[in-house]
Amino acid sequence: DAGVTQSPTHLIKTRGQQVTLRCSPKSGHDTVSWYQQALGQGPQFIFQYYEEEERQRGNFPDRFSGHQFPNYSSELNVNALLLGDSALYLCASSLLRTDEQFFGPGTRLTVL
Amino acid sequence: GNSVTQMEGPVTLSEEAFLTINCTYTATGYPSLFWYVQYPGEGLQLLLKATKADDKGSNKGFEATYRKETTSFHLEKGSVQVSDSAVYFCALSVAQGGSEKLVFGKGTKLTVNP
Repeated sequence: DAGVTQSPTHLIKTRGQQVTLRCSPKSGHDTVSWYQQALGQGPQFIFQYYEEEERQRGNFPDRFSGHQFPNYSSELNVNALLLGDSALYLCASSLLRTDEQFFGPGTRLTVL
Repeated sequence: GNSVTQMEGPVTLSEEAFLTINCTYTATGYPSLFWYVQYPGEGLQLLLKATKADDKGSNKGFEATYRKETTSFHLEKGSVQVSDSAVYFCALSVAQGGSEKLVFGKGTKLTVNP
């Protein structure tokens, strides 16, 4: 049983560019959450998707957007990249209304 | 608001030493509490959890007790090993609109020397 998978593993972009990160949830899970982890910090909640809709959103600008597909996989899009967007982006999957989330290995984004 | 405060690191111990990492929280409602561990270059792994007051979570020799009166969830291990070297995150989960999100502390880096 595959756990949560994310792609790509690493990504280097320049300021102003756009990026798309991908996540496949653990088998049987229907909810995907995205977190940003800056270097030396704890993860910060970006948003959560269920039934292809955004259910909750953290304190992140509209440059951060997402999508969930019918197979429950998800994408995180970031437009107009800033240097401060450099971080590890973590995807977590769960079942709706449960409190246990399973994390993927993350995508390391570097913005130059 | 909801927040988690963790003991500042880094923490360096010798093998077989006793470990305590302090964690306190502020939350509206009745959160579930978690400890996650992150090994170098990896994502987060759930170490243990507790869902109500006085519950004790335990796994791999680690323990933490949900103390509502002191709003704490301190992580302990009686005898650490070199393989326990990692970053440990305390977190709480709060339901909002039928969904749950995790709020994390800043993490505590643990290094265990042989």
